[in-house]
Amino acid sequence: QSALTQPRSVSGSPGQSVTISCTGTSSDVGGYNYVSWYQQHPDKAPKLMIYDVNKRPSGVPDRFSGSKSGNTASLTISGLQAEDEADYYCLSYGGTYSIFGSGSKVTVL
Amino acid sequence: EVQLVQSGGGLVQPGGSLKVSCAASGFKFSGNTMTWVRQPPGKGLEWVGRIRSKADNDATAYAASVKGRFTISRDDSKNTAYLQMSNLKTEDTAIYYCLTRLVNTLVVDYWGQGTLVTVSS
Repeated sequence: QSALTQPRSVSGSPGQSVTISCTGTSSDVGGYNYVSWYQQHPDKAPKLMIYDVNKRPSGVPDRFSGSKSGNTASLTISGLQAEDEADYYCLSYGGTYSIFGSGSKVTVL
Repeated sequence: EVQLVQSGGGLVQPGGSLKVSCAASGFKFSGNTMTWVRQPPGKGLEWVGRIRSKADNDATAYAASVKGRFTISRDDSKNTAYLQMSNLKTEDTAIYYCLTRLVNTLVVDYWGQGTLVTVSS
């Protein structure tokens, strides 16, 4: 069970869009529609941003969207804002286990 | 108000044991899966394991890195989940979080405040 693969860093200017990928296998990301995305600011607990691939919890701006194709899930942040600068992690269900991605740092230039 | 309050943790020597508790309030604890996640200092999140509800036979699952050394349990009469850690290694040093997902008309994840476990001689 190696961590799902995410880019180490992603950056964009305010107002731009950025996409973070999360690549797993047919046993986890590709096998179930149970991918979540978490945002974590320094020294804070993670916050759920997307669940079940593309659903947004109440209170999460619609600038955040999720999708999946095959063994790769993606989180897109449209209209990037300064407060979006944080670490982002995907989490996938894999039947007998769940597994996080390696994490991506989003930098707002 | 939903709360998950953690206790336990601290400094332990390699090979030692430690138990972390997660006391829940504000929701029907007995019907919810409880999950444990850890984060080594300055590193990413790692899923540790989970315990389902009694309706699902308190089924547990563990990450390969802790299987056979860690045990997750729950006491529904005390609204508390536990993470028993044995044969601890230095690489187990991390902040440990309990969490649960509540699914009604809304979906919300609730996290405990985190507990630092340090494995060092």
